[in-house]
Amino acid sequence: EAQVTQNPRYLITVTGKKLTVTCSQNMNHEYMSWYRQDPGLGLRQIYYSMNVEVTDKGDVPEGYKVSRKEKRNFPLILESPSPNQTSLYFCASSRISGQETQYFGPGTRLLVL
Amino acid sequence: AQSVAQPEDQVNVAEGNPLTVKCTYSVSGNPYLFWYVQYPNRGLQFLLKYITGDNLVKGSYGFEAEFNKSQTSFHLKKPSALVSDSALYFCAVRDMNRDDKIIFGKGTRLHILP
Repeated sequence: EAQVTQNPRYLITVTGKKLTVTCSQNMNHEYMSWYRQDPGLGLRQIYYSMNVEVTDKGDVPEGYKVSRKEKRNFPLILESPSPNQTSLYFCASSRISGQETQYFGPGTRLLVL
Repeated sequence: AQSVAQPEDQVNVAEGNPLTVKCTYSVSGNPYLFWYVQYPNRGLQFLLKYITGDNLVKGSYGFEAEFNKSQTSFHLKKPSALVSDSALYFCAVRDMNRDDKIIFGKGTRLHILP
């Protein structure tokens, strides 16, 4: 089954404790992206990747890091989480062309205390 | 700069009535336009897209959208609403001239009243 998986689905942590949210897709997609969803703000793009070893900032990259060492994986790293990073995070993937549909993971709900 | 506006935070429609969820966009070049739906506790699911060609696009679950270049709009429509259509709807745009970044609107919550 074609899918995007994220882990963990729920996470409670404390300020400053490094964490990683994993994202994996099995569709051989070149393009992968991370979004955060906040009430009243919709989805905002954090980082995206056009292919292996190619990453770029989205609209809200501060406080986040990503890596793309393999085509299927695109982890999101919060090196020193802060309460304003409490949010719902989605990973998505698609083929490289701009006309392609994105496939979304189920989401990771993060609470930073 | 690219932008997407969904002017209504919430839309209420009686079951069986037609529904419209509005979206306007701004891009420097020609747009790729998408609608996604999010059901509670789920990720986003693709509904339909406009790339080129016919301005009326048909998608999943009986939804359709009309691309209007002069009004820079891409409104989502359905002739007869179902209670199961209640969800959060997002419009998104990709600029054909720089197809890397994707911009989403803030979302419109659709309530279908039985």
